[in-house]
This record gives sequence, structure tokens and C-alpha cells, in this order.
Amino acid sequence: GENVEQHPSTLSVQEGDSAVIKCTYSDSASNYFPWYKQELGKRPQLIIDIRSNVGEKKDQRIAVTLNKTAKHFSLHITETQPEDSAVYFCAAQRGSQAGTALIFGKGTTLSVSS
Amino acid sequence: DAGVTQSPTHLIKTRGQQVTLRCSPKSGHDTVSWYQQALGQGPQFIFQYYEEEERQRGNFPDRFSGHQFPNYSSELNVNALLLGDSALYLCASSLPYEYEQFFGPGTRLTVL
Repeated sequence: GENVEQHPSTLSVQEGDSAVIKCTYSDSASNYFPWYKQELGKRPQLIIDIRSNVGEKKDQRIAVTLNKTAKHFSLHITETQPEDSAVYFCAAQRGSQAGTALIFGKGTTLSVSS
Repeated sequence: DAGVTQSPTHLIKTRGQQVTLRCSPKSGHDTVSWYQQALGQGPQFIFQYYEEEERQRGNFPDRFSGHQFPNYSSELNVNALLLGDSALYLCASSLPYEYEQFFGPGTRLTVL
């Protein structure tokens, strides 16, 4: 079945450094790739997403890149701050139809120390 | 504008019992998806409801069933509870044929 692999599982950086999280997916038909941030005891919050018709998208300190040929996508956080500490999940939509099931990676615990 | 809401917040059940979890979607949303998030794992898709019918289903046994009401709210029912059903159950809503899904706060189910 569909699968999303996410690396690393934990990531520790110093405040101000950059953080990169990488994901690969298996469903060639996937065309939507969101990233969620989940703080302890809270709901997943969408922080950025990318559709397959673009290779990169940026929103202030956060950027996502997508390589459809290699079936991998990455989250880049620059100038990290302590409040960026959380669990980050990548996901790929099952199939190509909008609004269908999201297949999640296992998450990356990001710790930003000041 | 209310976001996605879920009830109850926490629930404790014993093995073999049945449980019903509830979700109210974000205003204007008529598509509801349910996910199970085990501790330390990513959410896993259970099923999705649209127009009161199950539109998609993940790899979960028939013990997991659902329902969507005319007002778009939804229920998740789990029968014959197992210890392994202990998890955070998340509901997400979206507009039909739109990509973005908005998550509720979840219901923490503990099976003893």
C-alpha cells in the first residue's frame, strides 16, 4: 500500500540554525504534500503545503521542496527559534483526487535549544 | 468561526466494550475524515465521510464504523475494544474536493 517515510526521527539544533526534514512517498499519483506541526497535547496544525505542479514554496522562515521524479519532499526551517520545538509530520495524499486520505510519516521531533 | 470540535476529550474503557466518538466539522465543511494516532506515531487514516456515505477507507477492521449526519457532523464507533485501540482519535474536515484538511483537538481513548 501507500507509504511515507520520514527522516530523521529526532533533530536537535541550536537557536538560529537551520533544520531540514526529509520524506519519501510511494504513490506516484500523489499530488498534494502537506506538513503539520504538532505541539504536545495539541492538534496537528498545517504549516505549509505544496502541490505537484510546483517544485518549491516558501512562507517566511519555512520552505518546502518537492522532487516528483525521485518521489521525495523536504521541509526547511531557517533561523530556528525555541517555539519551533514540536513534532513535525509530512504527509502525502492518497491518489490524485483532492481531499482524499492523507498518508503520514512517523514524525520528527525537533528540539531547538537557546 | 468555530473550528473542528470533538467530544469527549478523554475516555477510558475496558476491553470488549464499545465506544462512540463525535466530531463537528469546521463551518462550511461537509467532508469528515477520521485518523488514529498511536503514541509516538503519525496519524493513520481510518475512513472519510462525504454526503453521509463512506467515501474512502483505510486498513482498519470492521470493528471501526462511522456515520455522518445531515448537518455534516460525524461519529466514529469502535466495537469489541482491544488494548491496541488506545490512541488519540483525530477528526479532520475539509471542503469537498479541496486539498487542505483541518484537524480537531482529538479524543484520547484509553483501553484497560
